[in-house]
Amino acid sequence: ETGVTQSPTHLIKTRGQQVTLRCSSQSGHNTVSWYQQALGQGPQFIFQYYREEENGRGNFPPRFSGLQFPNYSSELNVNALELDDSALYLCASSLELTGGSEQYFGPGTRLTVT
Amino acid sequence: KQEVTQIPAALSVPEGENLVLNCSFTDSAIYNLQWFRQDPGKGLTSLLLIQSSQREQTSGRLNASLDKSSGRSTLYIAASQPGDSATYLCAVRRVFYSGGGADGLTFGKGTHLIIQP
Repeated sequence: ETGVTQSPTHLIKTRGQQVTLRCSSQSGHNTVSWYQQALGQGPQFIFQYYREEENGRGNFPPRFSGLQFPNYSSELNVNALELDDSALYLCASSLELTGGSEQYFGPGTRLTVT
Repeated sequence: KQEVTQIPAALSVPEGENLVLNCSFTDSAIYNLQWFRQDPGKGLTSLLLIQSSQREQTSGRLNASLDKSSGRSTLYIAASQPGDSATYLCAVRRVFYSGGGADGLTFGKGTHLIIQP
């Protein structure tokens, strides 16, 4: 059974640029969630995708957007990067049947905005 | 708004000790609570998941309890080892609201644990 994978591992971008981060779900999972973790903080929920549709969103602006593909892999897109977007971005997958299933996290992508 | 607090923020103990990490949350309308381990610069490893109808879960040397009415959970680590050194995060998931919308996990800031050899 393959776990959650993310790419790239590290990324350096300049303020104002756009970035795309990728995630492959654990085999058999139908839901992907994205989190942002600033240094020394707990992860913050960005949004969740279920069957290719966003069905939940945290307190993040619209310049944070995403996609989920038929194979349940996912992308996180961030436009107009700001210095405060520097963080570890974590992807989590789960099998949502009745809701509230255990979430399994990937290794993360470290984004640095200069 | 759900808030999760973890106490202590940091803990350093000699190898072999039993220890307790604490987690509290402000809104008792949760679906489940999950404990994670995070090594420096790495992703999260799920340790234990407790559904709201459960009182505790055990896995090896780890035992987690949940008191939903008081908004508290504890993670008990028995016979600690240097390999247990990591940051431990507690996270809760709210009950789904009507209409089928989903909500993510709300995390605490974690307890940074160091086990001295």
